[in-house]
Amino acid sequence: AQRVTQPEKLLSVFKGAPVELKCNYSYSGSPELFWYVQYSRQRLQLLLRHISRESIKGFTADLNKGETSFHLKKPFAQEEDSAMYYCALSPRTSNTGKLIFGQGTTLQVKP
Amino acid sequence: EADIYQTPRYLVIGTGKKITLECSQTMGHDKMYWYQQDPGMELHLIHYSYGVNSTEKGDLSSESTVSRIRTEHFPLTLESARPSHTSQYLCASRNPRSSYNSPLHFGNGTRLTVT
Repeated sequence: AQRVTQPEKLLSVFKGAPVELKCNYSYSGSPELFWYVQYSRQRLQLLLRHISRESIKGFTADLNKGETSFHLKKPFAQEEDSAMYYCALSPRTSNTGKLIFGQGTTLQVKP
Repeated sequence: EADIYQTPRYLVIGTGKKITLECSQTMGHDKMYWYQQDPGMELHLIHYSYGVNSTEKGDLSSESTVSRIRTEHFPLTLESARPSHTSQYLCASRNPRSSYNSPLHFGNGTRLTVT
């Protein structure tokens, strides 16, 4: 079954501390993975995608096929990073273009 | 401005009423989606559309129905609302020229409460 798991509902860190938001997936093929973010009172938006291998707002995520993980990392958290983060998977075999989402992790960065 | 719009943002309605949640996008996207999200839970796909006159059920069974008469418009209807329909409904669209790895563009969502 295709599934995305984010084990932490809430992650609370102090400003300047490193951040790692965990994401594990279950998929038999080679997936395409994304991180979406929702800031307070804003809509859900794309943060970064696996295929781009980019760093957005200091965040990076590496696909580890052996561990079936796609953890989101940032070396120094900022208060403005406080938001809800969703990991999502797009099955390559599906032409629907749908995304399978994890439960989300709330990141709280304290001053 | 090219965007995706959902109305209303909030809706409180009594049991048994018929409701329609509106979703429109001005980006020319063919693929559109409805996701349902309960508080603190993941988003579940309930409907999607490849284009005009194309609608399909998603992964999560839903009593709602959708229509796609125009490319830009993808409304969701509940014929008889019940308290179990209380949830947030998110509409999204995707660039038709992109493949599986193109991002979804989301609307602001409609938070529905059925009393």
